[in-house]
Amino acid sequence: SQTIHQWPATLVQPVGSPLSLECTVEGTSNPNLYWYRQAAGRGLQLLFYSVGIGQISSEVPQNLSASRPQDRQFILSSKKLLLSDSGFYLCAWSRQVNEQFFGPGTRLTVL
Amino acid sequence: GNSVTQMEGPVTLSEEAFLTINCTYTATGYPSLFWYVQYPGEGLQLLLKATKADDKGSNKGFEATYRKETTSFHLEKGSVQVSDSAVYFCALSLSGGSYIPTFGRGTSLIVHP
Repeated sequence: SQTIHQWPATLVQPVGSPLSLECTVEGTSNPNLYWYRQAAGRGLQLLFYSVGIGQISSEVPQNLSASRPQDRQFILSSKKLLLSDSGFYLCAWSRQVNEQFFGPGTRLTVL
Repeated sequence: GNSVTQMEGPVTLSEEAFLTINCTYTATGYPSLFWYVQYPGEGLQLLLKATKADDKGSNKGFEATYRKETTSFHLEKGSVQVSDSAVYFCALSLSGGSYIPTFGRGTSLIVHP
């Protein structure tokens, strides 16, 4: 069966510090991968998606970036965090237009 | 473009009450439709889905019918429990286009004992 992992589960970082969130998928190959952000009490905001290694599409211009160094690994990064980067970050995978499978999320607080 | 509209929340119910959460969509083509549930502090989980008109998705006592004529996919449950308290998201996906699903803004459900 397929599983999706995210780490860390929670993170508290000062403004201006770097960020690296990791997502890995097991049990499937060549998945579509997605990064979402969820601000408190809000819906999902798609940040990035990837249909293959090294292929990244950005949906929202901001100080975040994403990379896909391996087929089942998706990384979200920032060189300098802003207060507005606080939120709940969700990674997801899918096959074509089928349902998405979400990870457990990372709660990021920027102080 | 594609869009999903859900009723504003929170929806507050007593245990064993009947639940309806409305969802309507606009899409170019024939989408697959989904309901996801998010419990506090967790990621989203697929609750049910329907891939063509008149299909009924069901799971854990929840059900929703794909209504092409009204472009709707309303979520219903006959008797809610406290454990159903969560945020519910309606979503659609289209074949032959981008790989990006469209989500509604989510509806919070609070069930009191």
